[in-house]
Amino acid sequence: NAGVTQTPKFQVLKTGQSMTLQCAQDMNHEYMSWYRQDPGMGLRLIHYSVGAGITDQGEVPNGYNVSRSTTEDFPLRLLSAAPSQTSVYFCASSANADTQYFGPGTRLTVL
Amino acid sequence: DQQVKQNSPSLSVQEGRISILNCDYTNSMFDYFLWYKKYPAEGPTFLISISSIKDKNEDGRFTVFLNKSAKHLSLHIVPSQPGDSAVYFCAAGGGSNYKLTFGKGTLLTVNP
Repeated sequence: NAGVTQTPKFQVLKTGQSMTLQCAQDMNHEYMSWYRQDPGMGLRLIHYSVGAGITDQGEVPNGYNVSRSTTEDFPLRLLSAAPSQTSVYFCASSANADTQYFGPGTRLTVL
Repeated sequence: DQQVKQNSPSLSVQEGRISILNCDYTNSMFDYFLWYKKYPAEGPTFLISISSIKDKNEDGRFTVFLNKSAKHLSLHIVPSQPGDSAVYFCAAGGGSNYKLTFGKGTLLTVNP
C-alpha cells in the first residue's frame, strides 16, 4: 500500500494562475479531506468528502474547489491563485471517525 | 473562535524525563480526541486517541488523559527520547462526519 500520495511536492505559481493539487489513496477509505498548514495556525480544514460524489466545505473553503468522482482520488483546484494561498497543503483519508492518514504534503508558493 | 487550543507553542525537556503536552477545547459536542506528531517536511502521523467515555488511554511510552469537566486533555511521554522531537497537534472530533478540528501545535524538543 502506498497510503496517501500527493503531487506535486513543490509548486510555484504566479498570481491568477490555476492549478490542481492531486491526492490519491489506495486504502479504500470513504472519507477524504484537504487541510492547509500555515505558521502559527495549525491545520485548517479546506474541504472534505464522505464518499464519491459527496463534498462539503470546511473552515477555509474560499478560493478552492473540489470534486470526488472516485473513492481513490480527491483533487483540490485553485481557480485563480493568490499570495494568501501560499501554504503547505495536506490531504488525508480515513475509514472511521478516529484515525486520519495524511499524505506528505504539497508546498505551494504564489508570487 | 478557536475550539481546540494548545497554549504552549514550544516545550523543551531533557532526555529520559517526562514530557507533558496540554490541550483545551471549548466544544462540548467533541466526543473523541487525537494526538498527531509531525516532523518537518512530512505529513502528520497519528499517535494516540481517546474517546470521551474514557479518561485515560495508554500506548507504550504515550499516555493521553482526558478531563471532560475541565475540557482538558494532556499527552504524557515517558521517558522522552530525542526522536520524539517534533510538532504535536491535538485534534478533536464529534458525531459521524469525520471532521477534525486541530490545535495550533506544540513544538517539543528533547535534549540529549
